[in-house]
Order: sequence, then C-alpha cells, then structure tokens
Amino acid sequence: GAGVSQTPSNKVTEKGKYVELRCDPISGHTALYWYRQSLGQGPEFLIYFQGTGAADDSGLPNDRFFAVRPEGSVSTLKIQRTERGDSAVYLCASSQRGQGLGELFFGEGSRLTVL
Amino acid sequence: AQSVTQLGSHVSVSEGALVLLRCNYSSSVPPYLFWYVQYPNQGLQLLLKYTSAATLVKGINGFEAEFKKSETSFHLTKPSAHMSDAAEYFCAVSPHLQSTQGGSEKLVFGKGMKLTVNP
Repeated sequence: GAGVSQTPSNKVTEKGKYVELRCDPISGHTALYWYRQSLGQGPEFLIYFQGTGAADDSGLPNDRFFAVRPEGSVSTLKIQRTERGDSAVYLCASSQRGQGLGELFFGEGSRLTVL
Repeated sequence: AQSVTQLGSHVSVSEGALVLLRCNYSSSVPPYLFWYVQYPNQGLQLLLKYTSAATLVKGINGFEAEFKKSETSFHLTKPSAHMSDAAEYFCAVSPHLQSTQGGSEKLVFGKGMKLTVNP
C-alpha cells in the first residue's frame, strides 16, 4: 500500500489477555519503529527495527512486551497479560534506511483499551 | 538525555492571525529537531526538520521554525492561520551523534499542542 498500515484500528480486551498488533510498513522501508501514545502525551519510543533485527528495544516497558519482524517487512507487537495501564494508541512508523535524518512515516495507530 | 518541552496543551487563534507554537529542547549533544502534525483521524506527518544546516527551516503549508541555540528553542510559526491548520502539533528531538549513520533513530516527543483556528 501507499502508507503504513496498522491493524486492528481498535482493540478492546480484558485484563490478563494476550494481544497482537500488526504493522505493515511502506514497501522498501528498512527501518520500522513502534511508539506508544497515552492520553494527553506525545508518542513514546518502544522499539526500532533495522531489517529483521531489533536495533534498539530500550523503550519496551517490561518483559510483557515483545515485537518481531521475521522477514524484514511486517512487524507484530505482542503484549502478554495485559494491564489497564497498557491502554493507549500504539503507533508504527517506517523510514528509509534508518539514517536518523529521514522522515518517519506514521500509521494511524491501533487504539488498545484494556478493561 | 534529550527532551523537549511544549508549555501548555492548547492554543486558539483567529483565522488570519499569527500562529506561534513554542518548543524548548534539552540535549547534551547537537540535536536534530522536528515538528510533526497530526490532523484529525490521520497519522503523524513531518512538518519540518532541523539537521544543522540553515537555522531557519521552512516546511509544508507555510510553516517555518527557527533554531536558536542560545535560547535552546525551536518555535514553530505561520504568519496567517487557516482553518485547515487545526490539528495537534508535536515537537521532537533526536541526538546528532558523531557517527557514520548520523542521528539516532529514537525521537523524543513533546506532549503536543492542540491548535484551534476560529473563523
């Protein structure tokens, strides 16, 4: 597609459940990022992939959060044993080569609500 | 560590008035600075960026920002607001590392500023 695609756009789950959020980046973009945006806050960095490998996962809040990008394209953010505090909009972005000067292209986000 | 501060969360201007959105940064190394905009029901998109070239940076839709090292500021301006400028605006910083790969991939965003334009 032309832009970054994220699914689902909305996810409501119960505390303790497992959730997967998917990101399909712009074709040809080697760098992929996950951010989390809580209500009233700016996006907060979670993890960055260059190709298939996680180049920087320092923003993942704890070991309940995990992300993969097995073929260097689509990425999945996985959250185990969800908690109410995980409720937020999860944003995915991609860019060319990850040079740090480039423009990040963001998807519309996946809104997660944990009841 | 790098950070940006956007004081306040909401600004309201009249159509045709000057838009001024303030951003102050903190960085221990020369920074790259960005403004992103989020229109309703859309993803964030880059408005403009400063990467140590010209200190006055022009972006899309008539916006510009000036990097002032002495004031650690990167305020966003537009001479005349249009109704279509109503959106949320985020300032962000990335450290300018001295490496072959340029800056870091990790943007640190401010809390954002919601701009309302009144007719």
